[in-house]
Formats: sequence, structure tokens, C-alpha cells
Amino acid sequence: SQQGEEDPQALSIQEGENATMNCSYKTSINNLQWYRQNSGRGLVHLILIRSNEREKHSGRLRVTLDTSKKSSSLLITASRAADTASYFCATDSNDYKLSFGAGTTVTVRA
Amino acid sequence: DVKVTQSSRYLVKRTGEKVFLECVQDMDHENMFWYRQDPGLGLRLIYFSYDVKMKEKGDIPEGYSVSREKKERFSLILESASTNQTSMYLCASSQGAAIQPQHFGDGTRLSIL
Repeated sequence: SQQGEEDPQALSIQEGENATMNCSYKTSINNLQWYRQNSGRGLVHLILIRSNEREKHSGRLRVTLDTSKKSSSLLITASRAADTASYFCATDSNDYKLSFGAGTTVTVRA
Repeated sequence: DVKVTQSSRYLVKRTGEKVFLECVQDMDHENMFWYRQDPGLGLRLIYFSYDVKMKEKGDIPEGYSVSREKKERFSLILESASTNQTSMYLCASSQGAAIQPQHFGDGTRLSIL
């Protein structure tokens, strides 16, 4: 069953601005991952945050996790046209499976 | 570099046909997954396999079956295609536990007429 829900569903920003999207989930998790999907392509793993971590950085990406609120956020700083994509959070609460949200579609305008 | 290859990017089939979607990975991964992706619903897990000849139902297995005879290949079978199975199908693979990232193919857009 779907665990994560992203918010907003869609986001349009100007190049150079920051983009923030949120993910809420229902049950306890071990880890949370963020993926990107470019139009017509498969998903690509961006970053993982463990349940005992609060914040993680990777290049222009910053992820936070608040397990008490069952939520995570993904911040993309200084956005570029190439960041135009859909972004998905995925949670794991058992051994093999991930549960994906419905995604946030980000459009970066030149 | 990691590669997951799905045999077709686009496929058009007729209602009632038996449809095979093929997925091959070159990373010697233990786990393989089939998802369908529909607008507003995200990715939903159909079936997954954590070893050769092993399979487990995901969240929406009805109307589907799978086959994993070799480690690198995972096939999704629509036993008798129906129009509500028109969707984007994504295959993924991973190694070990769910903490490991999944690697995705580029998807097969399947239309059932």
C-alpha cells in the first residue's frame, strides 16, 4: 500500500530559486529515500536518510527527516532547468520493499 | 554502470491477449521488482523476487503473474489483458535489503485496446 504522500503535487519555479517538497508517511520506517524521474525515463536514486538521522546533504540537495511528525522534506537549492522532473519519496519498513508516494512534479522556468 | 533493460518502450495489445514484459539487469542483483505507474497514484508494486524462482505478491498482483528462471531476468505476465491494465510498467533491481537503492529501467508504456 502507498505509504508516502508528497506535497505539493506540482511546483513551478524560476531558475536559480530553491524548490522545497514534502513527504508524509503513515507508519514507522527504517529509512527514507528520494528519487527523481525525468520525463519518459525510469527513476533515479538521489539520497537516503536513515530513521536516526535528521538532516543529510548531497550537492545541491538537502533532506530532512522528522520521525515524530512522520515527514521529510527535499530542498533543491539554486535550481536549474535540468532539475525539471518528478520527485518521489520512498519508505521502507520491511526487508525488501519500498513504498512510493505519488510524486511532486517540478518545473524550472528559464 | 548499472543497467536495467526493459524489452519494449511501447507496446500495444488487444483485450484478452497474454502479454509478456521482459526485464534484464546486468548487476547480479538479488532483488527484482515490477511496478505500474499511473498518474496521481505513483508507483504501485505488483510483484517482487528476492531470489531465482522466488516471488512474492506486492500490493496489486491481481491479473498478473511473474517468472524468474534466471537471476538476471524477471518477466511480468498479463494472463488475459484488460483495458484497465493500460499503464506504464517499470522494472527495478536492487541488492540486499531495502536500504539499498533500486535501479530502474526506462519503462514500458503498455496500451490495451
